Formats: sequence, structure tokens, C-alpha cells
Amino acid sequence: EVQLVESGGGLVQPGGSLRLSCAASGFTFSIAWINWVRQAPGKGLEWVGRSNRKTDGETVQYGEPAKGRFTISRDDSKNTVYLQMNSLQTDETAVYYCAAYYYDDSGLRGFWGQGTLVTVSS
Amino acid sequence: IVLTQSPGTLSLSPGEGATLSCRASQNFGSTYLAWYQQKPGQAPRFLIYDTSSRATGIPDRFSGSGSGTEFTLSISRLEPEDFAVYYCHYYGSSPFTFGQGTKLEIK
Repeated sequence: EVQLVESGGGLVQPGGSLRLSCAASGFTFSIAWINWVRQAPGKGLEWVGRSNRKTDGETVQYGEPAKGRFTISRDDSKNTVYLQMNSLQTDETAVYYCAAYYYDDSGLRGFWGQGTLVTVSS
Repeated sequence: IVLTQSPGTLSLSPGEGATLSCRASQNFGSTYLAWYQQKPGQAPRFLIYDTSSRATGIPDRFSGSGSGTEFTLSISRLEPEDFAVYYCHYYGSSPFTFGQGTKLEIK
């Protein structure tokens, strides 16, 4: 059974930093693209960034709000992806989800974690 | 690429068919467009990828179509569990984007 478990959320002051983790199990982690997506309370989905596979050069892509402040990294030996967030602002209060995608014989598979809440407030 | 979904809210009855639209600000062919379903308090559920391919385990009453800048998610014979918010998602070239969502509610 595929599982994605986000952790590391909580309360942080404006201007502060937080590191989220996404621990995966139930599939071959190294062949998956891992995305971070956030959702502010009562709002829609916003793409944060994506960690690409080793076969894609293990590159990382970021959405505009994340550029220069957020860093995504992965550790295939631990089946874990990280999201380091710096200089957080109050409007970045949201549930942060990780989502994994990979191909198998059935086609493209996509799985999401249950999310971790980040609250930016003084 | 900006994705604009319409309508914002769609009110229908179980058993009816639903058509949800997603318009892109640029033509990107027929690959890299996905659809998600989200219910309150839950993570999004992966429904459709590459415009028209159903993800594993998704009922065949869900279908996707379109190309260029116009995309559609169709749901035939609505079941009570289908009432939710639906998002389209572009995942071609970075930055990837989501539409603002269409809420499908029970009439």
C-alpha cells in the first residue's frame, strides 16, 4: 500500500523558517516525481515545486512563490523528500501536501499525503 | 500558463451528467493536463492525466477530453459521492499550475 506522510508543520512567526518532510512507502521511491502543493484555508491548490528523479538529473523545479526562499531536496536512501521554507509570510498559512507520481504497467500513478498544516502567525 | 475553470459552481442532481470546463491561456497540445477531485477535509484524488487517461481505480463514468486550450471533464450518471470540488492541473513546463476549481453541488 502506497503511503505518503508529511510532517514538520506547526506554528511559525512571520519571517521564520520551517522544514517539512514527506516520508514515502509502498513503491519504488527513486522512480517517482515528488511534488509539494499547498492549500490556504478555504482556497484552491497552489503548486510549490517538484523534485525530479535521478534519471531526470535529480533536478528541482519551483513555483513563483517558492523561488529564492524554498528548497526542495530528496534522500532516496530514506525515501524522503524535504521542503525547507524560509522567510515565511502570513499568507503562506496552508496545508502543505506532498504528491508522488510514477509509471507502472497501469500507467501513471498518483498519490497524495494527508498534508501538514503550517500556520504563520505572530 | 493560467487555467480558468467554469462554471464556479455547478448544481445538479444524482443521475444527471456533468460537464466541467478548463481553459488554458496558451496552447499546449493534449498532454500534461490532469484532473483532481477533492472532498472537504481530504487530500485531492488523482482522476485523469494526459487529458483523457483515467488513473487506476477511477470509474469509467469519469472521462476527460480536449486539446489546445479547451479541456473538459465529463461525469456521466452522477453518484452522491461525486459531489466535490474539481481542479484541472497543467504539469508540462514549469511553473505548473492549477485552475481555481469547480464546486459540484447537489441540487
